[in-house]
Amino acid sequence: DAMVIQNPRYQVTQFGKPVTLSCSQTLNHNVMYWYQQKSSQAPKLLFHYYDKDFNNEADTPDNFQSRRPNTSFCFLDIRSPGLGDAAMYLCATSARQGTGANVLTFGAGSRLTVL
Amino acid sequence: GQNIDQPTEMTATEGAIVQINCTYQTSGFNGLFWYQQHAGEAPTFLSYNVLDGLEEKGRFSSFLSRSKGYSYLLLKELQMKDSASYLCAVSDSNYQLIWGAGTKLIIKP
Repeated sequence: DAMVIQNPRYQVTQFGKPVTLSCSQTLNHNVMYWYQQKSSQAPKLLFHYYDKDFNNEADTPDNFQSRRPNTSFCFLDIRSPGLGDAAMYLCATSARQGTGANVLTFGAGSRLTVL
Repeated sequence: GQNIDQPTEMTATEGAIVQINCTYQTSGFNGLFWYQQHAGEAPTFLSYNVLDGLEEKGRFSSFLSRSKGYSYLLLKELQMKDSASYLCAVSDSNYQLIWGAGTKLIIKP
């Protein structure tokens, strides 16, 4: 089945210790997104890629970086996690952008705990 | 600013009908989405409305009124597995998704 796979599902790190979360997709979608979602809150867009074009949301902290080495893979790096970065990180894909009917397919998420 | 409003939590009984409302104020409109999100899991797509009216998909229906900035998700014949959060999201003039915080639906036997 075509899908979006995130690893790890659960990540525990110490305050300030770098973390990398990965996302892979077999849907051959052009667009990949990273969202941060805290409990009972709306998902917050951190970055998105259209093919290899990188788009950084204006209010995404510099502590967050992303890489997309090829169409299938995308990484989220948190350089120095703080307690406020504890959240679910959701990777999503879509076939295209610039259209209203742009359905997102999400991975299962990576839950980050910061001690 | 752009804003999506949904009730924080609703409770309904198994077998009943529930309506979850969503109002929005966005810069432009290119469609409204409903996603279902079970606790600790990722959102999954339920419906998309871009024209006024009702879209029906089995037990779930979604309604849109663009002039009122209003949508609702209607769930019929509620089952325990419908216990989840329901997220409303609007595609704005730049095709960016503006998300609501979600409505947590609790189903009681």
